[in-house]
Amino acid sequence: GAVVSQHPSRVICKSGTSVKIECRSLDFQATTMFWYRQFPKQSLMLMATSNEGSKATYEQGVEKDKFLINHASLTLSTLTVTSAHPEDSSFYICSAALPAAALQYFGPGTRLTVL
Amino acid sequence: AQRVTQPEKLLSVFKGAPVELKCNYSYSGSPELFWYVQYSRQRLQLLLRHISRESIKGFTADLNKGETSFHLKKPFAQEEDSAMYYCALRGQTGANNLFFGTGTRLTVIP
Repeated sequence: GAVVSQHPSRVICKSGTSVKIECRSLDFQATTMFWYRQFPKQSLMLMATSNEGSKATYEQGVEKDKFLINHASLTLSTLTVTSAHPEDSSFYICSAALPAAALQYFGPGTRLTVL
Repeated sequence: AQRVTQPEKLLSVFKGAPVELKCNYSYSGSPELFWYVQYSRQRLQLLLRHISRESIKGFTADLNKGETSFHLKKPFAQEEDSAMYYCALRGQTGANNLFFGTGTRLTVIP
């Protein structure tokens, strides 16, 4: 089956620093990857849609300058949280979709804690 | 705008009892509906989608356009069904992005 990995699984950083999270599709090429944020005991909120080779499409209310997304290849998308603040602490989940398919395969998530 | 509503945050049933997790949606066009499940300490995974019209792990869900619902049902709950269940909608043609409900935590009591 389609497998998506994320790295790191957990990260703790100081306020003001930047953190990069990687999302990889291990056994398929994903033209589209998605980034979600999940607060404790809440649902997944779509942050942005990332298409290989083009700019990401951000959902309303998501600061594109704060959450930088790069989809440099068909198997890798990165989310960089710039100048992180404690309120950015959350669980970030990526997913990848097969070309021309509606199914998304989810990564295991990254727990970000900003001190 | 699309919206997915799961009215129950928590649902507990006894093993062997029927279970129904409710999902209602709001969308002006023809949506595609999904149920995703997240077992403890595992990633989110697809359980079923309405266009497949199949039963997975004993679960079924029927899209009712009149009631704009996509309730998930299983006649006899098992302990291993305990998990977080999310209903999701894919709306816009050509886009793969999903909109999730707030989820229902199902606990099956032995």
